[in-house]
Amino acid sequence: DTEVTQTPKHLVMGMTNKKSLKCEQHMGHRAMYWYKQKAKKPPELMFVYSYEKLSINESVPSRFSPECPNSSLLNLHLHALQPEDSALYLCASSQGVGGSEQYFGPGTRLTVT
Amino acid sequence: DAKTTQPNSMESNEEEPVHLPCNHSTISGTDYIHWYRQLPSQGPEYVIHGLTSNVNNRMASLAIAEDRKSSTLILHRATLRDAAVYYCMSVGGSTLGRLYFGRGTQLTVWP
Repeated sequence: DTEVTQTPKHLVMGMTNKKSLKCEQHMGHRAMYWYKQKAKKPPELMFVYSYEKLSINESVPSRFSPECPNSSLLNLHLHALQPEDSALYLCASSQGVGGSEQYFGPGTRLTVT
Repeated sequence: DAKTTQPNSMESNEEEPVHLPCNHSTISGTDYIHWYRQLPSQGPEYVIHGLTSNVNNRMASLAIAEDRKSSTLILHRATLRDAAVYYCMSVGGSTLGRLYFGRGTQLTVWP
């Protein structure tokens, strides 16, 4: 099974709301990632977790707060977002952070109003 | 990060072979060459990766130049389902696993 699941598929939130995106994998992978993709642009890396610890934060604003409760789950907590944060948020996982391939979920389409 | 260069777009007819080129002249000696593709309205999909030798899997073949400054993704018989944006990237020791997606190559497959 090479599936990464993400919930919800779509999310609409106001600028004062707090919401969370969820990602799950059961492949035993020890690295998990969050990417952001704006329309007609390539994905951009946001965060990397390795062995449940945050290893890379690509200078992401603090209104995005990642969390890795266990090796299978990755959350992205959202608070006080701006309309320009509207995008497709993609989760991925891999065996490790070396040269191993990453498996992506279908993404959560986020709209901030 | 090791920069890669790909053509913006390519076209092919169905059931013909497709050769997608990628230049990565500044790749580190320990970095792997990865290819991903993204179909419309989907997350990226891993295609293939390699270090020095040519690689084959059920989806495609990867031909790596001897000096590792370029590579070619080969789809042996294109189908309509292969129409996607194809991304070439270097991944590994110097990038700590980061995937830097460039603009990629938009492949159009004609019936």
